[in-house]
Amino acid sequence: SQQGEEDPQALSIQEGENATMNCSYKTSINNLQWYRQNSGRGLVHLILIRSNEREKHSGRLRVTLDTSKKSSSLLITASRAADTASYFCATRETSGSRLTFGEGTQLTVNP
Amino acid sequence: DADVTQTPRNRITKTGKRIMLECSQTKGHDRMYWYRQDPGLGLRLIYYSFDVKDINKGEISDGYSVSRQAQAKFSLSLESAIPNQTALYFCATAGGGDGNTIYFGEGSWLTVV
Repeated sequence: SQQGEEDPQALSIQEGENATMNCSYKTSINNLQWYRQNSGRGLVHLILIRSNEREKHSGRLRVTLDTSKKSSSLLITASRAADTASYFCATRETSGSRLTFGEGTQLTVNP
Repeated sequence: DADVTQTPRNRITKTGKRIMLECSQTKGHDRMYWYRQDPGLGLRLIYYSFDVKDINKGEISDGYSVSRQAQAKFSLSLESAIPNQTALYFCATAGGGDGNTIYFGEGSWLTVV
């Protein structure tokens, strides 16, 4: 089964609104990463947050991590139509060196 | 030029045929991966390699084999393709001080009929 599970599976918003996606995981992690995938293309790394960090920012992206709840959220502020894509969380477990991906959230930003 | 290049980008093959997907990278990374993506299932790890002499099975290695011909090259083979191996396949790399971040190729669409 997948380590990371994103919620919601799909999200549709209007341009200018904020988009929030959540990720839950099961085991202890070293870090959690968020990736973006445009339809049919490769995944692109967005941001990494380490297990000892609680919040991280990068441009319009804000990621939080709550290790006690084994969850993370990705917030995209002031969304644009170009943000339309699938967003995946990925976790690197403390006991291993592999990166395990969730099933993704499909974000649609309507102009 | 792309840092991680996959060939072919699209392939239709028949059941029972052998197919090889190739991957090369110019990032100088030690770690290379093959993932498979199916709709609604996210990415699943097939095989990974941390250097030329190191090959490891991932979550779904049955029906697949790999070869790490050089640091920069990692190929995935389907010895006898079956229809449920129809998917989008990604090669990826990671390494060095930035070993936590994975860099993906553009993907190879494989259809087995």
